[in-house]
Amino acid sequence: QSALTQPASVSGSPGQSITISCTGTSSDVGNYNYVSWYQQHPGKVPKLIIYDVTSRPSGVSDRFSGSKSGNTASLIISGLQTEDEADYYCSSYTTTKNWIFGGGTTLTVL
Amino acid sequence: QVQVVQSGAEVKEPGASVKISCKTSGYTFTRHHIHWVRQAPGQGLEWMGKINVNEDTARYPQRFQGRLTMTRDTSTSTVYMELSSLRSDDTAIYYCARDNTRWALDIWGQGTMVIVSS
Repeated sequence: QSALTQPASVSGSPGQSITISCTGTSSDVGNYNYVSWYQQHPGKVPKLIIYDVTSRPSGVSDRFSGSKSGNTASLIISGLQTEDEADYYCSSYTTTKNWIFGGGTTLTVL
Repeated sequence: QVQVVQSGAEVKEPGASVKISCKTSGYTFTRHHIHWVRQAPGQGLEWMGKINVNEDTARYPQRFQGRLTMTRDTSTSTVYMELSSLRSDDTAIYYCARDNTRWALDIWGQGTMVIVSS
């Protein structure tokens, strides 16, 4: 099963909003609302920022939000801050009862 | 507080096996599955599988079947991941992570670097 498709990189200026897409198939993203997003700063451990497509764990800024339409999920970061510069990964449960990650997106805050 | 602490770095020769431990604390061990995820140098995250700690059953994707084993010890709240027949492309940081019961990984271990080299 191939990885979910994410753009390799996105960029934005402080204060702007950006969207990172995560495209799968009807066997994963399109079939379940079990999409999660992770933020990873260089040399650090991944951190859960969104689960169940739209839910935020306690302590995660409300500048992070998620959505889904068909086979594509999206992570939206509003009011960009320099500390948001990191790699972002989506993940989904699949019909084969496995999990799959996206290839990752590097966010640059200009 | 909830913690997940992994064993230290390993250097192995090709063909050998590696066994990494993942000790949990601060929550009821049997209520959360544990997943393993790896990250090769400069690469993305790769899901390796999960263990249902309560039922002691594991699930691995096809590409790891036959050389990956996940086990648990409820007396010490520890999960183990053993990967055999190591190859150079198994060189990676290996993470264990707790499933939050909502199909997401909410608590991650610090990672264990495994280097496979002759």
